[in-house]
Parts: sequence; C-alpha cells; structure tokens
Amino acid sequence: QSVLTQPPSASGTPGQRVTISCSGSSSNIGSNTVNWYQQLPGTAPKLLIYTNNQRPSGVPDRFSGSKSGTSASLAISGLQSEDEADYYCAAWDDSLNGHVVFGGGTKVTVL
Amino acid sequence: EVQLVESGGGLVQPGGSLRLSCAASGFTFSSYWMSWVRQAPGKGLEWVANMKPDGSEKYYVDSVKGRVTISRDNAKNSLYLQMNSLRAEDTAVYYCARDYIVVVAGGFYFYGLDVWGQGTTVTVSS
Repeated sequence: QSVLTQPPSASGTPGQRVTISCSGSSSNIGSNTVNWYQQLPGTAPKLLIYTNNQRPSGVPDRFSGSKSGTSASLAISGLQSEDEADYYCAAWDDSLNGHVVFGGGTKVTVL
Repeated sequence: EVQLVESGGGLVQPGGSLRLSCAASGFTFSSYWMSWVRQAPGKGLEWVANMKPDGSEKYYVDSVKGRVTISRDNAKNSLYLQMNSLRAEDTAVYYCARDYIVVVAGGFYFYGLDVWGQGTTVTVSS
C-alpha cells in the first residue's frame, strides 16, 4: 500500500492529453513539493518534474505538473508513442522522522 | 558525464547479508545527499534510505530500520548499503540516486532524485 495514491493505469491516443493524479496528506504533499518520474520499460526512472511544476533540462514542455492542497497531477499533452511508460509521483513526508514516499505508479498506454 | 554505477547485488539466503556499492562520477559527490531506492519485481518504487553529504543525518523507511545501514566514503566517491537479516521481501532491483536537496535555515527541501544508476538486483531466496 503506497502512501501516495495514483490510478494504476491511464491511456490515450496519439496527440491527446492525459492527466495522472496523485493524492497524499498534510504530512507529504500538503507541506512539501511533489516530483514526478518516468520509467520506460526495462530502464531506471528519470526525473520528469520537480518542485511541483519545474522540468529538468531536456524534458519536453508537453509534460507539466501542478499541485493543490494535498493532491498533485501530471499532464502529458500531445501524447506520443514514446510516452508509454510508468509514471510515479513522490514527495518528502514529515512524519516519523522524515522519509521519501512514492505513489504506486501509473502505467500510461498509448492506444 | 554524470554517472552512478551500482554493484554488489546477487543471490543470498534469508537471514543473510549483502553490501551494495554505488560509484559516482562526473560531479562533486561530497556535496550531495544520496539515496537508495528499490523496486520489487513487477512492483513500484520504494525509497529505502538517504544521507547527508557529511554523513551526519540519515533517514530510513520503516521496513528496513535496524537491518539496513547507509554509508558513504567521499574520498572514494562511493555510497554503500549494508543489508543484514535479509528477507524474501527485500528481493528487488536497488537503485542509487542523487538527491536534489536545497538546504535552508532550520532544515531542507527535497526536490527530487535527479540522477539514477542502472540498478543492481538482489534476490533473497533459499
């Protein structure tokens, strides 16, 4: 059972917009920033979004993040076949002396 | 090139021990917080532990506290994870990752894990 809650799957056709939600609590998302990771099949995760809505260098601007209260979301606009991957949200959690918590992951399928 | 390379994984019996290593290159290792993250077969990511650049602060997920120790040798640009009393549920790919942490007065902000290694596989089985 993950501390952050994500839908297990999402899908869309090429060019569509897909949104992934991430729900937490006051000790994690509610008081800290959210980051998102993309994990392509058979590879290590890659940082996609940090501090809620910032993209590292090299990440296309069709990936965007937002946060409101104890929830966050990742949007992929102009969906492409290479976006088919697992996506994870994460945040620092201030409870129990502090630790990083991840969502359970969302598998994005490009139809 | 910024790079992290893990090693030390393998097959170990329940109750056994294993020490994972992570060799860093391409950046000033001694300036960064570092983490270990694991992924059980077919499952999601689970953060395991991280530590401050000077080793003065360490944090662990509850499921490994008392069995796992994170450490580092800044002179060797290396991060380690000593795992004892291993259980079947510790079976996973273990990733070394660089923390993007900004230190402020009275604490820090965790912004994410911005560099990842390729992972090393640990299998706990008899």
